[in-house]
Amino acid sequence: KQEVTQIPAALSVPEGENLVLNCSFTDSAIYNLQWFRQDPGKGLTSLLLIQSSQREQTSGRLNASLDKSSGRSTLYIAASQPGDSATYLCAVRGIGGSNYKLTFGKGTLLTVNP
Amino acid sequence: EAGVAQSPRYKIIEKRQSVAFWCNPISGHATLYWYQQILGQGPKLLIQFQNNGVVDDSQLPKDRFSAERLKGVDSTLKIQPAKLEDSAVYLCASSLEVGAGGYTFGSGTRLTVV
Repeated sequence: KQEVTQIPAALSVPEGENLVLNCSFTDSAIYNLQWFRQDPGKGLTSLLLIQSSQREQTSGRLNASLDKSSGRSTLYIAASQPGDSATYLCAVRGIGGSNYKLTFGKGTLLTVNP
Repeated sequence: EAGVAQSPRYKIIEKRQSVAFWCNPISGHATLYWYQQILGQGPKLLIQFQNNGVVDDSQLPKDRFSAERLKGVDSTLKIQPAKLEDSAVYLCASSLEVGAGGYTFGSGTRLTVV
């Protein structure tokens, strides 16, 4: 059974700082890994999708890496802004049939202080 | 492309009452998922549909929860009777059956059982 862990559970940083969020998963047989952002009371917004054959993806100030063999992914946020404050969720998609479902971590609550 | 539509956005009911949620996925997405997200937790899969067939409902409390997907498009999730612990955000998502695409989530329905 796939398990996803995110560290830290919460993070508070001053504006402008670069930061890293960590995600680990127990079963390396994954189809892809997706990072989401969730604002309070809202749904999930997809940030980056990394296929199992890829090592990293970039979008603006965000960079996500994937090391499938070690079961790890990181989300790097450069020059953080108060608008980045949200919960960041990591999810892995399994392979085949019912395993196509996404398994989520509990998320990292990020607060960027002005 | 239009996103995943969900309704209602909010619902407050008393315990032992019934409630239903509706989801319209992205056009052409064969796979539809219902997730339950309890406050402070990552989303947990309740049920996965492939077209109008159930692929995985292993975590659906079948004594009180039911779901259907008519004609392989819209889906409804019902709870009857509701319990206090059902208070959560119910998220609907859709994805392509196969391929490199990720999930797209709706805005969710926040259920409060009092």
